[in-house]
Amino acid sequence: EVQLLESGGGLVQPGGSLRLSCAASGFTFSTYAMSWVRQAPGKGLEWVSVISGSDGSKFYADSVKGRLTISSDNSKNTLYLQMSSLRDEDTAVYYCAKCAFGATLDAFDIWGQGTMVTVSS
Amino acid sequence: EIVMTQSPATLSVSPGERATLSCRASQSVSSNLAWYQQKPGQAPRFLIYAASTRAPGIPARFSGSGSGTEFTLTISSLQSEDFAVYYCHQYDNWPGTFGPGTKVDVK
Repeated sequence: EVQLLESGGGLVQPGGSLRLSCAASGFTFSTYAMSWVRQAPGKGLEWVSVISGSDGSKFYADSVKGRLTISSDNSKNTLYLQMSSLRDEDTAVYYCAKCAFGATLDAFDIWGQGTMVTVSS
Repeated sequence: EIVMTQSPATLSVSPGERATLSCRASQSVSSNLAWYQQKPGQAPRFLIYAASTRAPGIPARFSGSGSGTEFTLTISSLQSEDFAVYYCHQYDNWPGTFGPGTKVDVK
């Protein structure tokens, strides 16, 4: 079964840091681009970042550029999101999502269950 | 950035009835448009890609149409499990953007 399982969310103070993880199973992780998508409480979906499975290229939404860093470890089939200089507006459920056809700009066919990040003093 | 809009914001439908949801892009996205369903407390579920192709395992009562800037998701006969929020998503231009969602609730 294809599955994504996020972890690492929690409560963090403004300006703080957090690292999210997403463990993948059931597909060849290294051949697909993987994304992070977030959803603020009661709001819609916002794409955050993507990493290419073929060449490791990375792309970010302007709202997180310079503060959030995406990475992956193919030996562990795991996607990461290192979050620093966190702001109140980063409060959201963070989903990892598999890019359906391998491209970095793509639909998302598999989603994790999400992990909640709350930025508050 | 391409702005996606969806209408209506809320659609009240009786079980067994047809639901028609609209999505509009601020510029052409060709057919690079996906639809997702989200229920409270759950992750989004992949329904449609390439504007009109159902994802694996999606019932035939879900259909998508359109291209360019105007898209439609139709649920032919609403089942109880279909009451949810539906999002459209363009993946034609960077960054990929989502619509604000249409909530389908019970009339």
